[in-house]
Amino acid sequence: GAGVSQSPSNKVTEKGKDVELRCDPISGHTALYWYRQSLGQGLEFLIYFQGNSAPDKSGLPSDRFSAERTGGSVSTLTIQRTQQEDSAVYLCASSLGRSQETQYFGPGTRLLVL
Amino acid sequence: QKEVEQNSGPLSVPEGAIASLNCTYSDRVSQSFFWYRQYSGKSPELIMSIYSNGDKEDGRFTAQLNKASQYVSLLIRDSQPSDSATYLCAVNPQTGANNLFFGTGTRLTVIP
Repeated sequence: GAGVSQSPSNKVTEKGKDVELRCDPISGHTALYWYRQSLGQGLEFLIYFQGNSAPDKSGLPSDRFSAERTGGSVSTLTIQRTQQEDSAVYLCASSLGRSQETQYFGPGTRLLVL
Repeated sequence: QKEVEQNSGPLSVPEGAIASLNCTYSDRVSQSFFWYRQYSGKSPELIMSIYSNGDKEDGRFTAQLNKASQYVSLLIRDSQPSDSATYLCAVNPQTGANNLFFGTGTRLTVIP
């Protein structure tokens, strides 16, 4: 079956612009995660959605970052007024339920802020 | 102190040898442990998960967990050049927690 998909695969933007990153999870997966991976760094948790529950936003680095998940499926991560330090690979993952379950990752969006 | 620590490597082993990858974690109540493999420019893929003390074997891979020492390892037997990748250790800090904490990964190179 289809895996997690993300778009765009690459995004180059200018400092100060807003960007939207999209994630389409595996069908039937109720849990969705966003992570950020900077060069030479581990994956940094950003936000978690589980069904209709309020999202866990504890990993968002600043109020410039926000995310939503519509209809319990597709999610959009928005970064406002991008900064150069936002440059990273943004990875989305989904799972059947809570994080004890295997998380399946999408291919990521490589964001470069000039 | 980082939640999850790994030796960044690079770790080089000859083809056919055993590769040993190590990970320590700081939260004593952590419950779930995962090893992901990440090829350069690709996304992580799950290799092994382990939840209780001891060894868990799957093909050429063996995960070892020692909760008392807060240590989890991954052994790769009969290493192949295709095993060359970065291996990420991930820990679910406590039951019901929503996220995984990842180490920075160990880069493994298997030399033909």
